[in-house]
Parts: sequence; structure tokens; C-alpha cells
Amino acid sequence: DARVTQTPRHKVTEMGQEVTMRCQPILGHNTVFWYRQTMMQGLELLAYFRNRAPLDDSGMPKDRFSAEMPDATLATLKIQPSEPRDSAVYFCASGFPETGGFYEQYFGPGTRLTVT
Amino acid sequence: SQQGEEDPQALSIQEGENATMNCSYKTSINNLQWYRQNSGRGLVHLILIRSNEREKHSGRLRVTLDTSKKSSSLLITASRAADTASYFCATDVKGDYGQNFVFGPGTRLSVLP
Repeated sequence: DARVTQTPRHKVTEMGQEVTMRCQPILGHNTVFWYRQTMMQGLELLAYFRNRAPLDDSGMPKDRFSAEMPDATLATLKIQPSEPRDSAVYFCASGFPETGGFYEQYFGPGTRLTVT
Repeated sequence: SQQGEEDPQALSIQEGENATMNCSYKTSINNLQWYRQNSGRGLVHLILIRSNEREKHSGRLRVTLDTSKKSSSLLITASRAADTASYFCATDVKGDYGQNFVFGPGTRLSVLP
């Protein structure tokens, strides 16, 4: 049963600390998405990669956030330095472009980040 | 306001009843998808409807798309307590850098036993 995995599931950290979230996409999926979910803003697309190359990271605050795919089995989202307003659930999703260019996205369980 | 907006924000029904949720969007889309999110979990893809389709069925789910009104609806028939979740529509549009995926704020559905 192929699934997207994310680690850690929960992270509590102090303001100013670096946070790294990891995602393992489903094998064979060439596109990885990072989302952030909060009560106020809902689900926001931060960035997505296709074949490990960033396609769109316009939703990501560039000054403190960075996203990479070191290899096809690992995507990372890093926040440095973290701030209380970064507290949210961060989801990774993976997919493969179907005919017509659309994606059915498979979501991981999320990383719940709390920055104090 | 957002590209995709679900209506109503919250819906409470009895088991066995039908639940209808609506989604409106602003710009032209390539396709529209519906996802379900159980509390504390990731989203699960339910159904996708392409811009040239008007209706699609999957089990107890029925989705319609009216591109002239820029709206879609999700109907869940014969609801069950297990259908309790938040439901999101997601639109796939052309953004400045290519495709952009926009989720609405969701409809929170409660199915009472």
C-alpha cells in the first residue's frame, strides 16, 4: 500500500530555531507538493517540484523557507529561523501527471509544527 | 476572496440523508478535484472532473461542473457517520509559473448517527 510518509509527525521548537521537515513521495511519482494548513488561511501551496526541479515556489516566504529534493525519494522543507506564525500543519503530497496534465495528489499525514 | 470557495462552511445532517456541497471559483480551470480530510489527517483524493466534463460519478459521490457559472457541486448520497470530515475543492489553473493548485477553505460535514 503505497503512501507518502512525512517526518517528524509533530515538532515543537522555540522561535529562532531551524526546522527541517522531510517527505518521502510515493515511488514513481515525479511531482512533490508542499502545503501549509492553518485555521485562518486554510490550505496554501508553498512549492512544488517535478523531476526534482522546483517548478513553483511563489507561495513560499523566501527569506526563511527553502525546499529541496536531494533525490527522488526525499523532499525537504526547511525553515530558518522559525517564527511563531509558522505554526501550522505542513503537508507533503506527491503525484504523477496524468494525460491532460492534471494530478491526483496523494497526501502525507502532515507535520504539526508549533513554534513557541 | 479565494479562487475556490466551498459553500456551506459547515453542514450537519442525519445518517442516510444526502449532503450537497458547492464550490465556486474565479478563473478558468483545467480541472477541478474534490478531496476529503478527516480530523488530524492528510487529504484524500475523491474525484476529479475535467473542464470539458459536466458530471461524474464514483460510488455514492456525484460531482457536477458548470464552467459557465464557474461552480461545482459534490453530492454524497445515503450519508454515513464515516463521511464526517471536511471536504475541499481544488482547482488546477494556470499560474505565473505554470500550473497552480488552489484549495478552497472547505466544508465541514457532520453526519449524525
